[in-house]
Amino acid sequence: QVQLVESGGGVVQPGRSLRISCAASGFRFGTYDIHWVRQAPGKGLEWVATIFFDGASEYYADSVKGRFTVSRDNSKNTVYLQMNSLRAEDTARYYCAREGPTYYIDYWGQGTPITVSS
Amino acid sequence: QSALTQPASVSGSPGQSITISCAGTSSDVGAYDYVSWYQHHPGKAPKLILYDVSNRPSGIFSRFSGSKSGNTASLTISGLQAEDEADYYCISYTSLRNPRWVLGGGTKLTVL
Repeated sequence: QVQLVESGGGVVQPGRSLRISCAASGFRFGTYDIHWVRQAPGKGLEWVATIFFDGASEYYADSVKGRFTVSRDNSKNTVYLQMNSLRAEDTARYYCAREGPTYYIDYWGQGTPITVSS
Repeated sequence: QSALTQPASVSGSPGQSITISCAGTSSDVGAYDYVSWYQHHPGKAPKLILYDVSNRPSGIFSRFSGSKSGNTASLTISGLQAEDEADYYCISYTSLRNPRWVLGGGTKLTVL
């Protein structure tokens, strides 16, 4: 069955970096676009970043552009989110998500929590 | 600010029906029948409950139904149950940006 498992979250100081991962299984990973979506405490879901199936295109929310980088290794069925210059407002649970055929998300991971605090 | 507008909260009693709206524009909700809905219990993985406006993935109860009129999509939950209490989000295709979808702001459903 399709699984997306995020890892790498934790507590990090403002200004520092962190890389989180999303390990996929149960499907042909290299044929799907993958997204990162986050939820800050008490807030709604917020799209963060997207990487196309072949890694050829990446897109970022304005709130993270220039600080976050999404990448993927299709040989390892894994997507990464490199987060630099972290801010308190980046505190959230980060979900990776697989896009289905008609602009919807058909599978989500359980998320990994990140707290940015000194 | 989310591109799609949802009510912040709705409530209903067990057994009743509720409807959650998702308002957009002719560039997103009104453009194609590519609206999906998600149930989210915070801290857990969001779950797809409807796609392409009204299609249910396997395993989703028929109590969940969807419709669209113009630039507004709607999720209706009939026969409310306690376990339906959750946050609900819509996503729609959009022609205005990449990726080609936008999120609603979410609606908190309370089962009284």
